Amino acid sequence: AQKITQTQPGMFVQEKEAVTLDCTYDTSDPSYGLFWYKQPSSGEMIFLIYQGSYDQQNATEGRYSLNFQKARKSANLVISASQLGDSAMYFCAMSIQGAQKLVFGQGTRLTINP
Amino acid sequence: DVKVTQSSRYLVKRTGEKVFLECVQDMDHENMFWYRQDPGLGLRLIYFSYDVKMKEKGDIPEGYSVSREKKERFSLILESASTNQTSMYLCASSLTRGYQPQHFGDGTRLSIL
Repeated sequence: AQKITQTQPGMFVQEKEAVTLDCTYDTSDPSYGLFWYKQPSSGEMIFLIYQGSYDQQNATEGRYSLNFQKARKSANLVISASQLGDSAMYFCAMSIQGAQKLVFGQGTRLTINP
Repeated sequence: DVKVTQSSRYLVKRTGEKVFLECVQDMDHENMFWYRQDPGLGLRLIYFSYDVKMKEKGDIPEGYSVSREKKERFSLILESASTNQTSMYLCASSLTRGYQPQHFGDGTRLSIL
């Protein structure tokens, strides 16, 4: 069965520092997609970044990048130069075999301190 | 930008009532999803739909049903609401082409008293 594990329930980081949120996944399927979402306290889920299992390069979107280590089955989110507005829950998710269903991890609550 | 609209941000109902949660998307997406989110349990898939009048059970379909009569609208129905269905409900939609991100609505916080 497919599974996403986020081992950090909460993280506290000083503003302007870089932060890495961990995500490991488990699947035997060679084709899959990995996603990160942000959920502020207001509740909406915001799509941040995507990495395909066959992508040769790590995905980047502005201050977000994905540290994809396929052999280790990890897909860590890196936020550079953190801002107060980055305080939120962050979820890692996986889709397999081209199916549109997502399996989510339990999330990491990130708090940025001024 | 994709817009997924859920009919209510907050909803309070009584046990035994039939509850309808509505979701509308404006980007002609084929796929639509309903999740519930509970502290410590993350997001769990209730039902999803790949096309009009098509529906598939997710991981926790018990106590719920869905309806998709039009492509843009996906309704979640609690046939007889119970207190253990108090939760945050999130609707999402996506395209069917490769690995597409799901786009979410703002969520409905449902309380069953």
